[in-house]
Amino acid sequence: SQTIHQWPATLVQPVGSPLSLECTVEGTSNPNLYWYRQAAGRGLQLLFYSVGIGQISSEVPQNLSASRPQDRQFILSSKKLLLSDSGFYLCAWRQTSNTEAFFGQGTRLTVV
Amino acid sequence: GENVEQHPSTLSVQEGDSAVIKCTYSDSASNYFPWYKQELGKRPQLIIDIRSNVGEKKDQRIAVTLNKTAKHFSLHITETQPEDSAVYFCAAGTGGRRALTFGSGTRLQVQP
Repeated sequence: SQTIHQWPATLVQPVGSPLSLECTVEGTSNPNLYWYRQAAGRGLQLLFYSVGIGQISSEVPQNLSASRPQDRQFILSSKKLLLSDSGFYLCAWRQTSNTEAFFGQGTRLTVV
Repeated sequence: GENVEQHPSTLSVQEGDSAVIKCTYSDSASNYFPWYKQELGKRPQLIIDIRSNVGEKKDQRIAVTLNKTAKHFSLHITETQPEDSAVYFCAAGTGGRRALTFGSGTRLQVQP
């Protein structure tokens, strides 16, 4: 069966520091991968999606970036965090066929 | 792109009552409509989904209806229980590479 791993679960980082969140999927190949952000009490904002290795589409311009170095690995990064980057970050995967999205456990990021 | 609107943003019902959450979508190409439940601090999880070739789907106390002509779909929860309290998200999408587009969420509170 397929599983998705996302880490770390929680992170407290100072303003201006770098960020790296990692997500891996097991049990499937060539998944579509997504990064969402959820501000407190708000909906799911799509940040990036990837349909293959090295292919990244950005939905919202900001100081974050994403990379997909391997088929089942998706990384969210920042060189310098802002206070407004605080939130709950969710990685998700989906097959190309019309199916549900499966979410990772999420990373609660607090920028101080 | 797709735009999904969800109402109400908050909903409080008495235990045993029914709850209805409504969503509208803009892209007539959308043909897949999942509903997710997110408990506090947890990942969203699929509770029911419907495809555009079906008008209604039911799973125990949960049902979803779809009106393709009007581009709206609804979640119905009957005989609500305190454990139904959570944030519910609707979403719309198609097959292929695009991400699901989520509504803004409804916080459901079931009063015992």
